[in-house]
Amino acid sequence: DVKVTQSSRYLVKRTGEKVFLECVQDMDHENMFWYRQDPGLGLRLIYFSYDVKMKEKGDIPEGYSVSREKKERFSLILESASTNQTSMYLCASITATGGSPEAFFGQGTRLTVV
Amino acid sequence: KQEVTQIPAALSVPEGENLVLNCSFTDSAIYNLQWFRQDPGKGLTSLLLIQSSQREQTSGRLNASLDKSSGRSTLYIAASQPGDSATYLCAASSGGSYIPTFGRGTSLIVHP
Repeated sequence: DVKVTQSSRYLVKRTGEKVFLECVQDMDHENMFWYRQDPGLGLRLIYFSYDVKMKEKGDIPEGYSVSREKKERFSLILESASTNQTSMYLCASITATGGSPEAFFGQGTRLTVV
Repeated sequence: KQEVTQIPAALSVPEGENLVLNCSFTDSAIYNLQWFRQDPGKGLTSLLLIQSSQREQTSGRLNASLDKSSGRSTLYIAASQPGDSATYLCAASSGGSYIPTFGRGTSLIVHP
């Protein structure tokens, strides 16, 4: 089974802190994604990566950056955490075998910024 | 830009009912349509994936259909159970990087 693992289920950070959210997948997928999920707004794409050291902005990249130094690991960085970044963060890994992408998700990280 | 809409936003039904959840998308140039389940505070679990060339997929009591020409997919849940209570999301994958675009979900409660 494909496994996507996010480093923390719950995280509480202070305003202004630099925050790292880690995501690791074990199936050699090229494409990885970071979403945030908020009530009433659904899942919104923050950043994605289609290869090592490659990154693309999604719909809401402001206040975030990402790092992909190894194929299996995709990190989301909050440069200076703010209370409006309190949210559920979801990482996805996508395989496109045969040209039909299938998304696999981690368990989510509930981040609270105080 | 792909947009995905799910109707209804919430649904509450008694146990045993058959249900239909709806998903519509604006750009029919999709690779596939994927249905997920999300329990409170958890990540997304994939239920069914319908490739663009397929019309439907079945898994147990779940059946998903796809009509690309009309931009619609439906998830049919037969004989609903309290354990089916969760939020159901659909996602359409399109674009060069296979980006899944999600609907906002249907929150389902099945009461005994």
